[in-house]
Amino acid sequence: DGGITQSPKYLFRKEGQNVTLSCEQNLNHDAMYWYRQDPGQGLRLIYYSQIVNDFQKGDIAEGYSVSREKKESFPLTVTSAQKNPTAFYLCASRAGTSGNYEQFFGPGTRLTVL
Amino acid sequence: QKEVEQNSGPLSVPEGAIASLNCTYSDRVSQSFFWYRQYSGKSPELIMSIYSNGDKEDGRFTAQLNKASQYVSLLIRDSQPSDSATYLCAANSGNTGKLIFGQGTTLQVKP
Repeated sequence: DGGITQSPKYLFRKEGQNVTLSCEQNLNHDAMYWYRQDPGQGLRLIYYSQIVNDFQKGDIAEGYSVSREKKESFPLTVTSAQKNPTAFYLCASRAGTSGNYEQFFGPGTRLTVL
Repeated sequence: QKEVEQNSGPLSVPEGAIASLNCTYSDRVSQSFFWYRQYSGKSPELIMSIYSNGDKEDGRFTAQLNKASQYVSLLIRDSQPSDSATYLCAANSGNTGKLIFGQGTTLQVKP
């Protein structure tokens, strides 16, 4: 089955801890994205990567870090510098072909800071 | 600031009626437009893409695009309670590979 997987589904973190959210895709997509969604809100872009070993900050990158060492993987680290990390985190991917902007989402990780 | 605007709702329609969801966008360079459906607690699912002026139909769904008015809409015919969800409108942000999302419209279909 082709798709995007995110793990874990639920994550609890104590204040001051860094945590890493996993995102893997087997769609052979070039581009990958991380979004954050707060209750009743739209999607806000954290980081994105259009090619392996390269990534760009989105609108709310402060307190987050990413890596893109492999095409199929784009992990997100939520650091202790992120002031209000409790949210629903969504990973998405896009084929990357010219003019094709369709993004497909993974199931999400719900992070709660205790 | 490039924006996509949607009425947050909730939009309430009776079962079997036509639901009409609307979206406006500010960036005239946008060429690709998308509708995502998001059930409560779940991730967004792409249901329609539209690139040209006019209508595009897929089953009970029709997407409409008017680039002159910078307006996108989604019509859902014969609405079912299972259509109750939040619908997100999105537009591409030039050639950046990014999408700009609206805040979403919550649709309630009442039996």
